Amino acid sequence: SSELTQDPSVSVALGQTVRITCQGDSLRTYYASWYQQKPGQAPVLVTYGKNKRPSGIPDRFSGSSSGNTASLTITGAQAEDEADYHCNSRDTTGKHVIFGGGTKLTVL
Amino acid sequence: EVQLVQSGGGLIQPGGSLRLSCAASGFTVSSNFMSWVRQAPGKGLEWVSIIYNTINTYYADSVKGRFTISSDSSENTVYLQLSGLRAEDTAVYYCARGALGEDALDIWGQGTMVTVSS
Repeated sequence: SSELTQDPSVSVALGQTVRITCQGDSLRTYYASWYQQKPGQAPVLVTYGKNKRPSGIPDRFSGSSSGNTASLTITGAQAEDEADYHCNSRDTTGKHVIFGGGTKLTVL
Repeated sequence: EVQLVQSGGGLIQPGGSLRLSCAASGFTVSSNFMSWVRQAPGKGLEWVSIIYNTINTYYADSVKGRFTISSDSSENTVYLQLSGLRAEDTAVYYCARGALGEDALDIWGQGTMVTVSS
């Protein structure tokens, strides 16, 4: 399969924990990466590989994977976390890159 | 500072051609894989193309045969040549650097808008 599926929108109360998921057959073989994108800005990598974070990304962001599902968890969501979140990985051939449709996170 | 600075883009008629540039600083483009990703207005991210070791290239089915990715080590720049442009190619185009040893895209350019319209 060459698709990654994300829920279009998710909401979370300020300070609570939220999990954003990404499903696809290729995730059984390849790790997902997660990107945060705010309006009018380029995406920013927040987690990748086996729960790795680039420097400068708060530790409230964590990644995990099980079977065909990858998850991005934000523990103690902040107002500034309101953004679109995109997952990506390889397709099942390993040669192409694929993205999920994105999830709009609203912090209430 | 590690960064990617993009140039090119603009308004182009259907069937036209355009070249996007992505100048790297703080690292050499031959050391990492480089990719182009686009985002149509109000839509999600769509992978376009990837180049490894300045030589091996792959393309999304939607652009294969029309777009060409290349890399110039002397200029430390990656290019995306767009031809046979269609209205559905209208998007913000981002270049991005592949993280060493990982599949992730860790550094992104600022994006450049390509509008295909008569």
